[in-house]
Amino acid sequence: ENVLTQSPGTLSLSPGERATLSCRASQSVNANYLAWYQQKPGQTPRLLIYGASSRATGIPDRFSGSGSGTDFTLTISRLEPEDSAVYYCHQYGSSRGTFGQGTKVEIK
Amino acid sequence: QVQLVQSGPEVKKPGASVKVSCKASGYTFTSHGISWVRQAPGQGLEWMGWISGNNGDTDYAQRVQDRMTLSTDTSTGTAFMELRSLRSDDAAVYYCARGGSGSSYYFDYWGQGTLVTVSS
Repeated sequence: ENVLTQSPGTLSLSPGERATLSCRASQSVNANYLAWYQQKPGQTPRLLIYGASSRATGIPDRFSGSGSGTDFTLTISRLEPEDSAVYYCHQYGSSRGTFGQGTKVEIK
Repeated sequence: QVQLVQSGPEVKKPGASVKVSCKASGYTFTSHGISWVRQAPGQGLEWMGWISGNNGDTDYAQRVQDRMTLSTDTSTGTAFMELRSLRSDDAAVYYCARGGSGSSYYFDYWGQGTLVTVSS
């Protein structure tokens, strides 16, 4: 099983600041099949990024993904209040996908 | 528009079984697979299994492979998840999510979730 470890656990930033979220895999992610999801309290997860760096339909360009192999990053360039959520990475390079434990982003 | 609509909340006793449905609309059901993901209270996301919408091929997470059965009804575009011998740690919100034709895919649409409570 490819274990994903996200850091930090919680990120507390002000509106307009840049958020950098990390996702590290225990094994190389095949074909960089790495996605990011946003989940707000009481809501369903929403796809943000797939293929490590491709934005999903309707996702603002302040969200960007990068990385390859075992190290991946989600960057939110200019935080807005509605970005307060938990963010999960997900590797789907193996048939049995795995999720990271999540990073909570708090807006001050 | 693509929609995945799940069945309602369930309350089950330990040792019982639960079957959750996920009705898809707005796309060709047989062109995509459906994965099931669960989220225990206050916890993260856990992939449980996948079923092909085309040929019924399945894959299961090791921790539930002996207790979970996924199935589909292509005539109605509905996927089903059955979990047997329920334990207290099976209590969670269960989501169905649309993937690609193969099991290695991201999830672009999600159902609203079905809360399964396991309590004596």
